[in-house]
Amino acid sequence: DAGVTQSPTHLIKTRGQQVTLRCSPKSGHDTVSWYQQALGQGPQFIFQYYEEEERQRGNFPDRFSGHQFPNYSSELNVNALLLGDSALYLCASSFGQAGELFFGEGSRLTVL
Amino acid sequence: QKEVEQNSGPLSVPEGAIASLNCTYSDRVSQSFFWYRQYSGKSPELIMSIYSNGDKEDGRFTAQLNKASQYVSLLIRDSQPSDSATYLCAVKVWDGGSQGNLIFGKGTKLSVKP
Repeated sequence: DAGVTQSPTHLIKTRGQQVTLRCSPKSGHDTVSWYQQALGQGPQFIFQYYEEEERQRGNFPDRFSGHQFPNYSSELNVNALLLGDSALYLCASSFGQAGELFFGEGSRLTVL
Repeated sequence: QKEVEQNSGPLSVPEGAIASLNCTYSDRVSQSFFWYRQYSGKSPELIMSIYSNGDKEDGRFTAQLNKASQYVSLLIRDSQPSDSATYLCAVKVWDGGSQGNLIFGKGTKLSVKP
């Protein structure tokens, strides 16, 4: 049973660039949530997708956007990258919006 | 502003001892509480969830919840070096009737010495 998979695992970008991160949920899960975890901090909620729509959003600017596909996989897009966007981006899936979250291994983004 | 507070540690305990991790939260309507373990460079792994006041035991782990005091704790009995990790407390907050999202504390780093 495949768990939550994310790609890429590591990437380096420069300020002003754009990045797309991808996530495939755990088998049987239909909801994807994205979190940002800066070094030494707990994960911060970015947004949640269910039925291909953004259902909830945390305190992140519009530079952060996402998408969910019919097969429940999801993308996180970040435009106009800032140095402060350097973090581990975690995707978590669940069955339903209220289900327990299972995290992928994350995509570590470094912005230079 | 909804907040989850944890002592960042590090908390150091000898092998075989009981490790006690604490968490307080500010939102009185929070309904669900979770403990995640995160090894260095890895993703969080769910180890316990608790929804009602009292204790919940799972193997060497016991979660304790006191909603009146807005306090949740995790006890690890017979601590092992493999338990050395950062433990994240997370609270699910229900916002205006919509489904909630998780708010995490900064985590407590636990070190179990052989």
